This record gives sequence, C-alpha cells and structure tokens, in this order.
Amino acid sequence: SQKIEQNSEALNIQEGKTATLTCNYTNYSPAYLQWYRQDPGRGPVFLLLIRENEKEKRKERLKVTFDTTLKQSLFHITASQPADSATYLCALRGGNFNKFYFGSGTKLNVKP
Amino acid sequence: GAVVSQHPSRVICKSGTSVKIECRSLDFQATTMFWYRQFPKQSLMLMATSNEGSKATYEQGVEKDKFLINHASLTLSTLTVTSAHPEDSSFYICSARDFGSSTDTQYFGPGTRLTVL
Repeated sequence: SQKIEQNSEALNIQEGKTATLTCNYTNYSPAYLQWYRQDPGRGPVFLLLIRENEKEKRKERLKVTFDTTLKQSLFHITASQPADSATYLCALRGGNFNKFYFGSGTKLNVKP
Repeated sequence: GAVVSQHPSRVICKSGTSVKIECRSLDFQATTMFWYRQFPKQSLMLMATSNEGSKATYEQGVEKDKFLINHASLTLSTLTVTSAHPEDSSFYICSARDFGSSTDTQYFGPGTRLTVL
C-alpha cells in the first residue's frame, strides 16, 4: 500500500540554524509533492510545491528538494526563527489526480 | 491568497444528534472540495472528495450514510455527521482546490473541533 513517512519525533534546533525535515514515500509515483505548515488547532497552510521534473525549489528562507529515485523530499528552513515552530506536513498527489495524501508531520521547535 | 472558511469552529453535541459543518471558498470557485479528519498528533486522513453537482467520492472505510456530503454550489460544501457518537469526536478540516491558480493548490479551512458527549 502507499505510504508517506515523516519523522514523528520532534526536531529541536537553535535559532539561526538550518532545520531539515524529511519526507519519504513508497509505492507512489507522485506527479508533485507539497509542503504545508500546520499550527495547533488550525488548518494546514500551503508553503511550496515541487514537481517530479524539478530537483529543487526555493522561496525566501525555504528550500525543497525532490529525489524521485530515492523517493524522498527534504524541506529546509534557513536562519530559523522561533516563529517557524510548527508541524510541517508533506503531501503527495497520487496517480488519481484528484487526491492528496499526507504524511503524519514533523513538529519543529526553534529555541531562542 | 485564496481563503477557505469553515463554520462552526467548535461544536459540542450530545450523542445521537447530527452536526453540520460548512466549508466555503470565499474568493474563488471550487468545483472540488475535500474533507479530512485529524486525530491528535496524527496526519490528516482524507474522508471524501466533494464534487459540485455530483455525488461525493468516499475513501475506503468511510461510511457515506454516516458522513453526508453536499456540494450545493461552487463555493459551498457541507459535511453532516449523522447520529454522532463519542468516537466521531475529532478535528474536521476541509480544503478546496483552486484550479485557476498556476500551482493547482488546495487551500485549507481553519478546521472544526467536534466533541461528542
């Protein structure tokens, strides 16, 4: 069955450092992959999308890579700030183009 | 960016009653909306895909008679939890796809916290 894995353990880093989050998937050939931010008790907020033919995408302090051979995406936040503390979800659009499936998310804690 | 609203944000009801949750796209038309539920510290689980003017498509294991979905217009989808029980208590989130955007992104509502006593 299709599976999307994100590190369930919280990632704790110091302010100013780069945070790197991982999303691995199996039994999928996604057309593209998305990253979302979710704060407690709120709906997810779209951050970045990367297509299968793209290796890297950047937006301000955010960078996403997509390796379809390794079936892995990495999400980086450079110069992290305490305001970046949240849960980050990856989502894949499946072969049925109408559906998105989410990983369980990784909680990021940025300490001042 | 596109805005999706949900109402109510929180609802507490007695076991056996029905609860309706509304999802609206405020500044774009959404022919497709999605309904998810999320348990604490877990991922969003897709429940169903709501298509304007046609029947919703439910994910495996989701009871369509339990979770009634109506996509009455291009900006409104409703989820009714019928005969709610405590195990239905969860965080329900809708999303809408903006096909007009270059990224074909889905935008999420703020969620509805349902507590069934």
